[in-house]
Amino acid sequence: EVQLLESGGGLVQPGGSLRLSCEVSGFTFSNYAMTWVRQAPGKGLEWVSSLSHNSARTFYADSVQGRFIVSRDNSKNTLYLQMNSLRAEDTAVYYCAKVSVTSYNGYFDYWGQGTLVTVSS
Amino acid sequence: DIQMTQSPSALSASLGDRVTITCQASHDISKYLNWYQQKPGKAPKLLIYDASNLHTGVPSKFSGSGSGTVFTFTISSLQPEDTATYYCQQYDDLPLTFGGGTKVEIK
Repeated sequence: EVQLLESGGGLVQPGGSLRLSCEVSGFTFSNYAMTWVRQAPGKGLEWVSSLSHNSARTFYADSVQGRFIVSRDNSKNTLYLQMNSLRAEDTAVYYCAKVSVTSYNGYFDYWGQGTLVTVSS
Repeated sequence: DIQMTQSPSALSASLGDRVTITCQASHDISKYLNWYQQKPGKAPKLLIYDASNLHTGVPSKFSGSGSGTVFTFTISSLQPEDTATYYCQQYDDLPLTFGGGTKVEIK
């Protein structure tokens, strides 16, 4: 059974930092790209970032480029999202998802349950 | 950026009705279009990939069609468990983009 479990969310002040983790099981993690998608309260889905299977290529939405860093540890079956210089508009539930191929250009076939990030003073 | 426009934004239909949602892309995206279902408080789930392919374990009452710029998603016979918000998403080009969602309710 494929499982993805996010952690690391919480309350942080504007300008602060937070690191999200996504631990996976049930598939060969190193064979697939991974992605982060977020959802602000009461809003739709927004793609945040994707990372190729071997970490060679990273992709970011303009809204987080230069502030967020995506990474993975294939030995630990874990995906990360380092979020710096956080803003109120980054407040959202953050989902990790498995991509169907080795890079960004596939479908998101399995999702985690999400972790809430709240940026507020 | 490729804009994805979903319509309607919400709909209310009776049990057993056939429901159709449209997603229009601002540029030709070939077949690179996926559909997701999200129930309140839950993570999205993949239903349809590459415009018309049913994801593993997804009931055949769900279907998708289209290519290029216009796509449709259909529920053949609406049931209470289909109450959810449905999103289209393109992966033809970066940034990856989602439609605004269609909230489906039972009348």
